[in-house]
Amino acid sequence: DAMVIQNPRYQVTQFGKPVTLSCSQTLNHNVMYWYQQKSSQAPKLLFHYYDKDFNNEADTPDNFQSRRPNTSFCFLDIRSPGLGDAAMYLCATSRDGIRRDLDTEAFFGQGTRLTVV
Amino acid sequence: AQKVTQAQTEISVVEKEDVTLDCVYETRDTTYYLFWYKQPPSGELVFLIRRNSFDEQNEISGRYSWNFQKSTSSFNFTITASQVVDSAVYFCALDDNYGQNFVFGPGTRLSVLP
Repeated sequence: DAMVIQNPRYQVTQFGKPVTLSCSQTLNHNVMYWYQQKSSQAPKLLFHYYDKDFNNEADTPDNFQSRRPNTSFCFLDIRSPGLGDAAMYLCATSRDGIRRDLDTEAFFGQGTRLTVV
Repeated sequence: AQKVTQAQTEISVVEKEDVTLDCVYETRDTTYYLFWYKQPPSGELVFLIRRNSFDEQNEISGRYSWNFQKSTSSFNFTITASQVVDSAVYFCALDDNYGQNFVFGPGTRLSVLP
């Protein structure tokens, strides 16, 4: 059974039209991440939530926002998508890794491939 | 700042050959975690292994084995008797902030030819 679910798998949006990608998890993990992966590149971290605390990467454009209304759900909002925002967007979760005796690993969803036309 | 390097961009092997994927990392922290993920054409990142910085034991899981050497900051991945289904992009990753700072290497595209 899928533990990290991303909807939709494929999203087409118009240039400049706001779009929201969603992610849900059944693992009850504290941490949720959003990554952007462009063709033939490594996933790049955009931001993450540690519980309700939002942590933005320094080079994430303001055009990208996120919401986490509860533990299970996290959304990625792209306010004005440009052609350069076409990519695969990956959501991931991990459990609380603050304690040294808890090993962390990130569980990934299948991703949403965003096309901007 | 942490960094992960995978010097091999693409590797092609013939089925049943052994292949080693290299990973070199940089971090200032003494406690960190290293990972390997597989990304098949379907796109999903599949977890393969996690290793914490205090455990330098090498690990074998079926045809997969990992060699962790802190002295050289390397965490290499070997596939023995490769199969066509092993064709994918493989990412090495580092987390040095207890799950809050997870960085991927650039990936190595492995093609296993029949």
